[in-house]
Amino acid sequence: ELKVEQNPLFLSMQEGKNYTIYCNYSTTSDRLYWYRQDPGKSLESLFVLLSNGAVKQEGRLMASLDTKARLSTLHITAAVHDLSATYFCAVDKGGTSYGKLTFGQGTILTVHP
Amino acid sequence: DGGITQSPKYLFRKEGQNVTLSCEQNLNHDAMYWYRQDPGQGLRLIYYSQIVNDFQKGDIAEGYSVSREKKESFPLTVTSAQKNPTAFYLCASNIQGQTEAFFGQGTRLTVV
Repeated sequence: ELKVEQNPLFLSMQEGKNYTIYCNYSTTSDRLYWYRQDPGKSLESLFVLLSNGAVKQEGRLMASLDTKARLSTLHITAAVHDLSATYFCAVDKGGTSYGKLTFGQGTILTVHP
Repeated sequence: DGGITQSPKYLFRKEGQNVTLSCEQNLNHDAMYWYRQDPGQGLRLIYYSQIVNDFQKGDIAEGYSVSREKKESFPLTVTSAQKNPTAFYLCASNIQGQTEAFFGQGTRLTVV
């Protein structure tokens, strides 16, 4: 059974600081996704990582994938208040659909002035 | 504008009643999915469909039923057999093998 674990589950940051969220998963997969969710809202796709060593960056967020270690990271650089949200990683269960996902528990990020 | 539309946004159900949540997409996606989210948790897959008139159970299908009579539509029925139906339900769709799943805005179901 595929399991996905994120840490930390809660992250309180000061504006301007850097931090990393970790996502570990239990079985082999080459497809990993990061999503953002604002309170009461749906999920917004942030990154799609499809191969070992993949690195993607968008603004102050950078995601990477190490399939051998079964680990993905989401690095936050110089945090700003607008980044406050819940961040989920999700791993594809395999097959052809690209949509059968197992999610981590989510990391609630709060950025303080 | 293309997108995934879920309705209603909020739904209240009395115990023992069946309710149906609507999901429609005009993205011409072939695959559609239903996920459930409980407070403070990640999403869990209920059902998915990769083609019209076919669907498969996900991880937590008990107490739920679906149909896929049209490519654009994938309604989810929460039956009275679902013991803890209060949750946030999200529908998603994608092009199989090509794109990640895109999510609708969700339906918040509360049992009263």
